[in-house]
Amino acid sequence: NAGVTQTPKFRILKIGQSMTLQCTQDMNHNYMYWYRQDPGMGLKLIYYSVGAGITDKGEVPNGYNVSRSTTEDFPLRLELAAPSQTSVYFCASSYLAEQYFGPGTRLTVT
Amino acid sequence: AQSVTQPDIHITVSEGASLELRCNYSYGATPYLFWYVQSPGQGLQLLLKYFSGDTLVQGIKGFEAEFKRSQSSFNLRKPSVHWSDAAEYFCAVGAGGATNKLIFGTGTLLAVQP
Repeated sequence: NAGVTQTPKFRILKIGQSMTLQCTQDMNHNYMYWYRQDPGMGLKLIYYSVGAGITDKGEVPNGYNVSRSTTEDFPLRLELAAPSQTSVYFCASSYLAEQYFGPGTRLTVT
Repeated sequence: AQSVTQPDIHITVSEGASLELRCNYSYGATPYLFWYVQSPGQGLQLLLKYFSGDTLVQGIKGFEAEFKRSQSSFNLRKPSVHWSDAAEYFCAVGAGGATNKLIFGTGTLLAVQP
């Protein structure tokens, strides 16, 4: 049981490039989330999903998109990377109100 | 709207000393409350949670927390800190509804002196 896995662990992007952050969970959880973590700011919710085919915006969705075609996968897409998107990104899944986190992706946009 | 305040950005304690990390929340009903720990370069790990019942909850690694409704607080405690407890600690409150969303505080960074 791997839990929540994220790839890549690190990535450097140039301004304007696109990329997809992958997130997979093997716990059959319906609820999944994407957060970004910036120093001194805690975790901010980007997008979330309550099940396959259902997604909704969180607190800071601008510049990001998500899809949820299966229960297991919840990829996060950055279309036109900007320096403001430099951050650490965490994916999580949830069961009975408790969230389980992946190890994170550290993204730098230069 | 729900919110979480962690008033201490950074705390330093000596190894073997007791620890209390403060957390205050704003929520209209009985909240779901959580404490997570994040070691450097790692994801978040759940330390403990409060849903209902006994207001003193025990967690992993010897941590405990007490829910005080009158003070809107959920402070984390440990009687004797170990060097391996150095990490960042986040308090979170459930946002309510059917989405299981969490609202996080800004974190408290704990340093442990030998």
